[in-house]
Formats: sequence, structure tokens, C-alpha cells
Amino acid sequence: DAGVIQSPRHEVTEMGQEVTLRCKPISGHNSLFWYRQTMMRGLELLIYFNNNVPIDDSGMPEDRFSAKMPNASFSTLKIQPSEPRDSAVYFCASSSGQNYGYTFGSGTRLTVV
Amino acid sequence: QKEVEQDPGPLSVPEGAIVSLNCTYSNSAFQYFMWYRQYSRKGPELLMYTYSSGNKEDGRFTAQVDKSSKYISLFIRDSQPSDSATYLCAMKASNTGKLIFGQGTTLQVKP
Repeated sequence: DAGVIQSPRHEVTEMGQEVTLRCKPISGHNSLFWYRQTMMRGLELLIYFNNNVPIDDSGMPEDRFSAKMPNASFSTLKIQPSEPRDSAVYFCASSSGQNYGYTFGSGTRLTVV
Repeated sequence: QKEVEQDPGPLSVPEGAIVSLNCTYSNSAFQYFMWYRQYSRKGPELLMYTYSSGNKEDGRFTAQVDKSSKYISLFIRDSQPSDSATYLCAMKASNTGKLIFGQGTTLQVKP
């Protein structure tokens, strides 16, 4: 089991550029979560999917953020245009259902300059 | 007021000590309670999972939930330097996948 796979591990981009973060959940898991972690705010849930359908996107900070899950094995989180305040570690997690423990990936460290 | 409150520490203890980590919460709908461990520059790793009230033990780790007081704890016995990490409590209601995390407590176990 390769676990939850995120790419890239690190991303440095200039303000105004589009950023796409990618996630491959554990095979067989039907729930997928995107979190953002900063020193000031800790771990915050941005959006989660059940069976590829977005269920709760109330944590998405603004319209610059969008997430998709076209199939059970792939999800993306896109920021367009990016801003310096988006700098954070973005984690993807998956689970067998929303009442089970979540398995996290290693995260993408995003720096917007 | 945050839904989940956790003292960020840092907490420093000698090797072999018993460590107590705690969280309080305000939402009485929370039914699922978890503890995650996060090493530097890594993703959180699930340590303990508890449904509703009571105790759960796994090796050197014991999780306790007191729903009447809205208070959860994680105890680590015979702490080791390898336990040095940030410990995050997390909890959720039963009708949602929205897992809410505490701020995390940084623990250092000194040899």
C-alpha cells in the first residue's frame, strides 16, 4: 500500500500564477479531504468528497480556490490566481468512509512569492 | 471561541515520564475523537480513534473521552525520545466528514 500520494512535494510560484496540487487516494477509499496547515490557523478543512462528489466546500477560502475529483483515484486543488497569503502546507487525506480514521499524504509545501 | 482548544506547549519531559495531553471542545454533537501524531515536515498519522465516551488503550498510549466535561486526553507511558512530535486532537459529529483539529501540542522527550 503506497498510501496517499501527493505531488508536487514543494512548489514555489510567483504571485498571480496558477497552482495545481494533485492527490491520489488509497485504493478503495471513497472519501477524500483537502486540508491546509499554517502556523497561525493550524489544520483547516478546505473541502471533502464522498464517492467523487463534493459534499462540503465551506472551508474553501474564496473563489480563487477550486477542487475536482474526476474519478476515484485522482483529485486536484487549484489556486488561480495565487497570492502570498496562500503559502502553506496542503494535505490530502482519504478514508474508507467519513466515520473512519483519515490517512494523510506527505503534503505539498506551497510558497507564493 | 474555537470549537476545539488545545494548548500548543511546548511540553518537555524526561525519557520514561508519563505524558498527558488534553483538548477541550464546545460542540456537544462531536461523537468521534482521534489523536494524530505529526513529525516535522510529515503528514499527520492516526494514533488513536474513539467513538463516544470511555477509554481505549494501545500499547503505551491511552485515550480518554469525557463527553460530560467535553474533555479528551491522551496519555503516553514510558515516553521515548522517538515520541517527540506534535500531537493533534481531532473530532467530528456523526453526520459529517468535517474533522476539526486542535492546534496541536509540541512534545519533546529528552534522553
